Amino acid sequence: DTGVSQDPRHKITKRGQNVTFRCDPISEHNRLYWYRQTLGQGPEFLTYFQNEAQLEKSRLLSDRFSAERPKGSFSTLEIQRTEQGDSAMYLCASRPTGGASHEQYFGPGTRLTVT
Amino acid sequence: QKEVEQNSGPLSVPEGAIASLNCTYSDRGSQSFFWYRQYSGKSPELIMSIYSNGDKEDGRFTAQLNKASQYVSLLIRDSQPSDSATYLCASDSGGYQKVTFGTGTKLQVIP
Repeated sequence: DTGVSQDPRHKITKRGQNVTFRCDPISEHNRLYWYRQTLGQGPEFLTYFQNEAQLEKSRLLSDRFSAERPKGSFSTLEIQRTEQGDSAMYLCASRPTGGASHEQYFGPGTRLTVT
Repeated sequence: QKEVEQNSGPLSVPEGAIASLNCTYSDRGSQSFFWYRQYSGKSPELIMSIYSNGDKEDGRFTAQLNKASQYVSLLIRDSQPSDSATYLCASDSGGYQKVTFGTGTKLQVIP
């Protein structure tokens, strides 16, 4: 399978704990996005990487959130001191290199539950 | 005001009918528009993209774009129960390289 992969698929954590999610984009895609989706809402943009550079961050991405893509391949999203409001589906998407298309392809997501 | 607006539904259609899903957007600078299908508990799946005014057909799906009216629609012909899902409209509005999503319309196809 050469699609976007995410790990873990599900994470249950207690409030105040730190969690880290991983995303592996489609291999030839240099653009990578993180979104958050809550029930009844569309995905909300969190941050965007082109290769290893983080080029845009949403104001939704508080200081407790950090994302990295150190070698321009996989990316990690860390949430420190989790809060119940962080419970959501965290989606990663990638986009082909070059061209004008904004088509993004999503991974299966990581569902986070903060208890 | 949300940048991409959709009626949340549910939209119920009988099997075999045409389902019509609508979306409006506020950013006149938007150039690219997308429809994603999302089954409950799953991630969004890209089904159509459209960049110029008019219709674009792919199998049972037709996307329609009217930039003057800032309106995008998706028609699903011969609707099947397996089409029952939430359909997300998205556009390249709101920032550099970013895609903004609507809240989605839930479609129910009744056998």
